[in-house]
Amino acid sequence: GEDVEQSLFLSVREGDSSVINCTYTDSSSTYLYWYKQEPGAGLQLLTYIFSNMDMKQDQRLTVLLNKKDKHLSLRIADTQTGDSAIYFCADLTGGGNKLTFGTGTQLKVEL
Amino acid sequence: GAGVSQSPSNKVTEKGKDVELRCDPISGHTALYWYRQRLGQGLEFLIYFQGNSAPDKSGLPSDRFSAERTGESVSTLTIQRTQQEDSAVYLCASSLGTARNNEQFFGPGTRLTVL
Repeated sequence: GEDVEQSLFLSVREGDSSVINCTYTDSSSTYLYWYKQEPGAGLQLLTYIFSNMDMKQDQRLTVLLNKKDKHLSLRIADTQTGDSAIYFCADLTGGGNKLTFGTGTQLKVEL
Repeated sequence: GAGVSQSPSNKVTEKGKDVELRCDPISGHTALYWYRQRLGQGLEFLIYFQGNSAPDKSGLPSDRFSAERTGESVSTLTIQRTQQEDSAVYLCASSLGTARNNEQFFGPGTRLTVL
């Protein structure tokens, strides 16, 4: 089945850029997503990218997709303490009806 | 309501008992999904409902798990004869249509603890 992998932990200083990486195995993925999960809160969709795109920018967020290597990244510019959360990448599989999630990357922003 | 709601928010049960978890999707959303999130792990897909189509049950881990949906509204996830490995947060999501073109909105989840 589809497998989505992420590193478990990332620590950055406030004001620096954060880069969270993700790899996936399903070559037929059409959409890839980044979700944010804060303690005690539900999942929040941050951004998504269609598989025929290489890059998408949305304010402080930049998504890069390398379809050949099946590698997705999320860059957060000028990281703030409010960005501390778990970030999940996910891709759309199963004929376009279900999301396969990575294990999540815990981002810690230090002052 | 503004978002997806789930109840109860927390459920503690004894091994072997049955539990029912409820999800109220956003009004007008035809698609509804259930996921399970074990401690420190990502979400696992369980089941997907879309309108009047037969649900996609491919993610249900065993025949102790079942789910129903009434029309395009409330859904219940039932776990029979609960086991300790069923302990997890169960998340529900809904979307306007199929996931391909529509964002999934997640509820806050039900934390299930099986003693």
